[in-house]
Amino acid sequence: EIVLTQSPGTLSLSPGERATLSCRASQSVSSNYLAWYQHIPGQAPRLLIYGASSRATGIPDRFSGTGSGTDFTLTISRLEPEDFAVYYCHQYGSSFGQGTKVEIK
Amino acid sequence: QLQLQESGSGLVKPSQTLSLTCAVSGDSFSSGGYSWSWIRQPPGKGLEWIGHIYHRGTTYYNPSLNSRVTISVDRSKNQFSLKLSSVTAADTAVYYCARGHILTGYDYWGQGTLITVSS
Repeated sequence: EIVLTQSPGTLSLSPGERATLSCRASQSVSSNYLAWYQHIPGQAPRLLIYGASSRATGIPDRFSGTGSGTDFTLTISRLEPEDFAVYYCHQYGSSFGQGTKVEIK
Repeated sequence: QLQLQESGSGLVKPSQTLSLTCAVSGDSFSSGGYSWSWIRQPPGKGLEWIGHIYHRGTTYYNPSLNSRVTISVDRSKNQFSLKLSSVTAADTAVYYCARGHILTGYDYWGQGTLITVSS
């Protein structure tokens, strides 16, 4: 079973700053199957990125995904107030990463 | 617009079987090669993939839950179901149903339902 490890656990930033979130897999993952989700407490998770780098419908272009093999990155270019949330990477049909919380500094 | 809605008992006693149903509206199970999935979040913890089913009935389960999980589909009612047997307090969580695709991820989710395991 592939294990996804996200870092850092918590990211403390101010609105307008850039956020860089990492997801590392225990073995090589097909980029086609790697997705990123945003989860705000009390709401359903929201698909941000699929296929490692494709934005889902309606997702602003400040969100971008890169990576291949075992290393993947989600970047939020300029944080908006609504972006403070928990972010998960996930390989389809397998486990989620443990999450990165992006909090207001 | 596709919509998913979970339903089921909010309180389950230890050692009993948790049962949830996800009603799907705005689409049918047989379109587009999608999977129909269950995902949960225990209090204070992250998301956990439970398993999924394709419209023809093929299922895939999280190995850590495999012996206790059954996911089934009722095409006549456009819904799919989760059964988790021999529950303990560790199964207390918000349970989500979602539509997934191997290439495009989980794009539609239910709002989630809290299931508490307690005597």
